[in-house]
Amino acid sequence: KAGVTQTPRYLIKTRGQQVTLSCSPISGHRSVSWYQQTPGQGLQFLFEYFSETQRNKGNFPGRFSGRQFSNSRSEMNVSTLELGDSALYLCASTPEGTDTQYFGPGTRLTVL
Amino acid sequence: GQQLNQSPQSMFIQEGEDVSMNCTSSSIFNTWLWYKQDPGEGPVLLIALYKAGELTSNGRLTAQFGITRKDSFLNISASIPSDVGIYFCAGQLLGGTSYGKLTFGQGTILTVHP
Repeated sequence: KAGVTQTPRYLIKTRGQQVTLSCSPISGHRSVSWYQQTPGQGLQFLFEYFSETQRNKGNFPGRFSGRQFSNSRSEMNVSTLELGDSALYLCASTPEGTDTQYFGPGTRLTVL
Repeated sequence: GQQLNQSPQSMFIQEGEDVSMNCTSSSIFNTWLWYKQDPGEGPVLLIALYKAGELTSNGRLTAQFGITRKDSFLNISASIPSDVGIYFCAGQLLGGTSYGKLTFGQGTILTVHP
């Protein structure tokens, strides 16, 4: 099976812009989780989607949002970008019946 | 929020040596996972643990799910240069509010000298 894929791999944006990141889970996985990774805060949970429904949300401002499509692909959106949003954004998919998450390669977002 | 305390923060070892790292928490976890991350890449799953007391091996790696469900350790035997990277522990708490949410340790940076 192909692994989790994320596009794009790298993005450079300026403050105030918005960005959309995409994640395709492993075939058959319906749960997709998103994380932000920074040197200072480590890996922080953003949200989780299952069957197009957000089941859980981390402690991030409303500028961070996401959605999931019927084919389990997921997108996350960050509006009004701030310098502090520069990070590696990771998505992970989980097979039903387990808590084991498989990560994609991440999208490196740089906000200038 | 929930935290996992991972130690040591970094290790410098010679090729061929054994390595041990661990994670502890004040909370009870349902699942313990160990990942390795290379620079600029996503974490790669090494070992998954689901039962208290479970001891699982994957090649030169061995990990255990603590009896109290509040800790886990990872051992690497006979280290080689490609073991270099950052190792993370991660846990999934019990309960519906933990859907899809892993809590991560701070990471252990491993350097292996040939």
